[in-house]
Amino acid sequence: GAVVSQHPSRVICKSGTSVKIECRSLDFQATTMFWYRQFPKQSLMLMATSNEGSKATYEQGVEKDKFLINHASLTLSTLTVTSAHPEDSSFYICSAIPRGGWDEKLFFGSGTQLSVL
Amino acid sequence: DAKTTQPPSMDCAEGRAANLPCNHSTISGNEYVYWYRQIHSQGPQYIIHGLKNNETNEMASLIITEDRKSSTLILPHATLRDTAVYYCIVSSTSGTYKYIFGTGTRLKVLA
Repeated sequence: GAVVSQHPSRVICKSGTSVKIECRSLDFQATTMFWYRQFPKQSLMLMATSNEGSKATYEQGVEKDKFLINHASLTLSTLTVTSAHPEDSSFYICSAIPRGGWDEKLFFGSGTQLSVL
Repeated sequence: DAKTTQPPSMDCAEGRAANLPCNHSTISGNEYVYWYRQIHSQGPQYIIHGLKNNETNEMASLIITEDRKSSTLILPHATLRDTAVYYCIVSSTSGTYKYIFGTGTRLKVLA
């Protein structure tokens, strides 16, 4: 089946630093990738939709200057949390839809646990 | 906003069938019903999806009502490893895909 690789799986950083999370589709091309965040015991919250070669579409309330998304190729999207603060600590998950098809399902990465000290 | 509602939690005895309901009364004609599950601190795992016909795969069965306003995910013989949060999502495949997660059902399989 389709595999989405997400790195790193866990990162601890100091407040004020930036953190980049990578999401790769390993055996398929993905024109669209999604980024979610999840707080403990809560559901996944969609942050943004990333389209290859164009600007990401952010959900209401998500700061685009804070969470920079780049989808430079059909197999790679990155999320950069800029000037991270403790309230940005969360579980970040990416997902991708294989290119083409009417009922393509979403495949998820294994997630990145971000802890900001 | 999520387009689905699910009970917050359910218990099921090991070896018995687990039936997880989902209400999606505002579903539109081109929207599919997808089921995913998430085991603690992992990315969600795809289970099954359907449009209007019932579907079955090696993991589960999906029963969609004739009016498509609700569905039931059936795990025929639940095991302890099926303990997870199960999410029902409806999404269109035309235009922009958008998968909005609801609160899900926390299924606990009991030994």
